[in-house]
Amino acid sequence: GENVEQHPSTLSVQEGDSAVIKCTYSDSASNYFPWYKQELGKRPQLIIDIRSNVGEKKDQRIAVTLNKTAKHFSLHITETQPEDSAVYFCAASIGNTGNQFYFGTGTSLTVIP
Amino acid sequence: ETGVTQSPTHLIKTRGQQVTLRCSSQSGHNTVSWYQQALGQGPQFIFQYYREEENGRGNFPPRFSGLQFPNYSSELNVNALELDDSALYLCASSLVRGSNNEQFFGPGTRLTVL
Repeated sequence: GENVEQHPSTLSVQEGDSAVIKCTYSDSASNYFPWYKQELGKRPQLIIDIRSNVGEKKDQRIAVTLNKTAKHFSLHITETQPEDSAVYFCAASIGNTGNQFYFGTGTSLTVIP
Repeated sequence: ETGVTQSPTHLIKTRGQQVTLRCSSQSGHNTVSWYQQALGQGPQFIFQYYREEENGRGNFPPRFSGLQFPNYSSELNVNALELDDSALYLCASSLVRGSNNEQFFGPGTRLTVL
């Protein structure tokens, strides 16, 4: 099955700086890559996603890049704010298996005011 | 709010017991996936149901079983509970099978096995 690795496990940045979280996947058939934000005690919330036919996608301060050849994708958060502090999970999905998501182990992001 | 609900919120069981967790999918969604999230870990895929049939299963033993009902709500059953089953159990609903669609997560059920 698919194996998703995520780095770093913890990340601290100063408010206003950028944060980058990286994930690699093993199955070249994976074609959908969502990113979820999970605040303490709450459900995971989708913040951005990218499909394999696209190399980059941006939504305001958040962007995701995908390198299919290297099998890695990254989350970029610019101008970080304290409310960005949370655990972020990447995931990979193989479409023909019906939307089964394989998650990374998570990155705990702390934005220091 | 995404509309996915789960019950109960918290549950405490002892080893060897059985438990049933429930999930109501978002209106219009026909697919429910269940995940186990251990403390400090990412969600692990248990299985998925589409139109009342199991549609894929992760690396979990047969004592983890499920159902999906005609209204697309779902149950997760775990028999012969073990201490390692203590985790947050999340369900997620989505609309279309076989394509990559956004999954909306419920708030989870926190299961503690003593």
